[in-house]
Amino acid sequence: QKEVEQNSGPLSVPEGAIASLNCTYSDRGSQSFFWYRQYSGKSPELIMSIYSNGDKEDGRFTAQLNKASQYVSLLIRDSQPSDSATYLCAVNNAGNMLTFGGGTRLMVKP
Amino acid sequence: DTGVSQNPRHKITKRGQNVTFRCDPISEHNRLYWYRQTLGQGPEFLTYFQNEAQLEKSRLLSDRFSAERPKGSFSTLEIQRTEQGDSAMYLCASSPWTGAATEAFFGQGTRLTVV
Repeated sequence: QKEVEQNSGPLSVPEGAIASLNCTYSDRGSQSFFWYRQYSGKSPELIMSIYSNGDKEDGRFTAQLNKASQYVSLLIRDSQPSDSATYLCAVNNAGNMLTFGGGTRLMVKP
Repeated sequence: DTGVSQNPRHKITKRGQNVTFRCDPISEHNRLYWYRQTLGQGPEFLTYFQNEAQLEKSRLLSDRFSAERPKGSFSTLEIQRTEQGDSAMYLCASSPWTGAATEAFFGQGTRLTVV
């Protein structure tokens, strides 16, 4: 079992819709959770971090964390074609390295 | 530009040659990480430094790989006797360390092709 799991997609949503990206992790000691966006051929770009249970909103992005269920999600409201990318979930335990999921490819269709 | 900088951006080398990559982190960041990413996969952890100390190395890191951060500033990653399986994007990231996990920022990456 992988430590951080994501559906590889592609997840296809129409422009203006809400995109929902999900991630589960296996280490209950995980403390910090991050979402990165990666365009094809580019490096990962940090878009959200979340450290405690509940929701965290930043513009069109909302991260949700449920430690009891070992689940973290990212919602993108009013999706735009420019949001089309691979979204990587990353988990940090004990303050050491990040462990990444395989990423979910999002396609936003005009 | 105050972001993480990696050089070169692209490297093509023949199998069996040695290659070295450089990473300049964000100046006030004392943690530096190396990751490797292949097509369709998430980044895989290789190693990280806190200041000049190399604190952890992945089991994936064979003896042909070595990393240094001699003065706690820039870092180099060397691959000796390259193999075709080493072809990947090599990513460097840095973060401040305040006793709790903080956000890590990536450089542009070095894409290695071994022919």
